[in-house]
Amino acid sequence: GQQLNQSPQSMFIQEGEDVSMNCTSSSIFNTWLWYKQEPGEGPVLLIALYKAGELTSNGRLTAQFGITRKDSFLNISASIPSDVGIYFCAGPYWGNQGGKLIFGQGTELSVKP
Amino acid sequence: DSGVTQTPKHLITATGQRVTLRCSPRSGDLSVYWYQQSLDQGLQFLIQYYNGEERAKGNILERFSAQQFPDLHSELNLSSLELGDSALYFCASSVATTGGETQYFGPGTRLLVL
Repeated sequence: GQQLNQSPQSMFIQEGEDVSMNCTSSSIFNTWLWYKQEPGEGPVLLIALYKAGELTSNGRLTAQFGITRKDSFLNISASIPSDVGIYFCAGPYWGNQGGKLIFGQGTELSVKP
Repeated sequence: DSGVTQTPKHLITATGQRVTLRCSPRSGDLSVYWYQQSLDQGLQFLIQYYNGEERAKGNILERFSAQQFPDLHSELNLSSLELGDSALYFCASSVATTGGETQYFGPGTRLLVL
């Protein structure tokens, strides 16, 4: 079935550094979503991408929808301690009447003050 | 706050028991999705309902069932619980079911089966 491969699995960085993570798939997606999950909470939508080649920003976050539609990237600039959490990429998979989100394995981000 | 509410936040029960998890979608959203998150499996889709009807099914066990009521809230029923059912259960909602629309997640129910 469809699968999303997310890397890296974890990152330990210093406050102020930039972060980059990516997600790849063997199948084409028409939408890419990036979520952040903090301990004990549900995933929170950060950025949604709907068009190949699209580059979208949300504050210090920037995400891109790969031109092949098989990958996406998330960058965080000038990281701060509250960026700590697990970042997931996700893509919708739709059947005849409904669908689901397929998630990557997540990138766990730790930021040292 | 995503606008999706889930109760209870925590649930501790014993093997063999049955529990019900409840979800209220965002105002205006007709689709409700249930996901299970465990350490070894990540976030896995269980089932989707749209306006009261089941629309898509994932790897949901036969011991698990769900329904969506006329007021659009949904319940996930887990029966004959096993230790391995311990996980976080999330509900998400979206406006429609036509594909591509984003899903908004609730805070989750943490289930611990002892």
